[in-house]
Amino acid sequence: IAGITQAPTSQILAAGRRMTLRCTQDMRHNAMYWYRQDLGLGLRLIHYSNTAGTTGKGEVPDGYSVSRANTDDFPLTLASAVPSQTSVYFCASSDGTASGGVEQFFGPGTRLTVL
Amino acid sequence: TQLLEQSPQFLSIQEGENLTVYCNSSSVFSSLQWYRQEPGEGPVLLVTVVTGGEVKKLKRLTFQFGDARKDSSLHITAAQPGDTGLYLCAGALDDFNKFYFGSGTKLNVKP
Repeated sequence: IAGITQAPTSQILAAGRRMTLRCTQDMRHNAMYWYRQDLGLGLRLIHYSNTAGTTGKGEVPDGYSVSRANTDDFPLTLASAVPSQTSVYFCASSDGTASGGVEQFFGPGTRLTVL
Repeated sequence: TQLLEQSPQFLSIQEGENLTVYCNSSSVFSSLQWYRQEPGEGPVLLVTVVTGGEVKKLKRLTFQFGDARKDSSLHITAAQPGDTGLYLCAGALDDFNKFYFGSGTKLNVKP
């Protein structure tokens, strides 16, 4: 069982370019999340999805979009990348059924640099 | 400003010492979690607390949720070099799938 996979592992991108970060889970989890992690700021939620077909905005959604066409995949798209989007991006999933106390399983992260 | 404030930001101690990490907020959380993250990897869940005043123990780690469910602490007894890492607290408000993370405490335990 692979758990959660993310691609690419790292990427250097020119400002203004479009980029999609991929995330796939094989645990049949209902909920999926995208976070960015910046030094001194911990993890900040970008977007999340409670179940396939639904998405919600997190703390820092501007400049990012997501889709949840099926249970396994949750891609994150930067329509026009800017240098402030340089960060490490983590995808996570959880079964999302417990009221309070769901465990999130994290992928290995994508290190993105926007120049 | 972040919803959850963690302190201290950095902690460097000798093997065998005790330490406490704090996670504070003015908001009430339905649940609060502690994660540990190694360099180059994603966070891994250590514990979840859901009831005000709850105390959970995981070997040498003791986690406490405040009575008002606004704060939490992580206490490590007799720290070991293997405890080195970034410790993160995360809380869920009304939507139990929407988590807010603290900025983290970077712990270094020297042998």
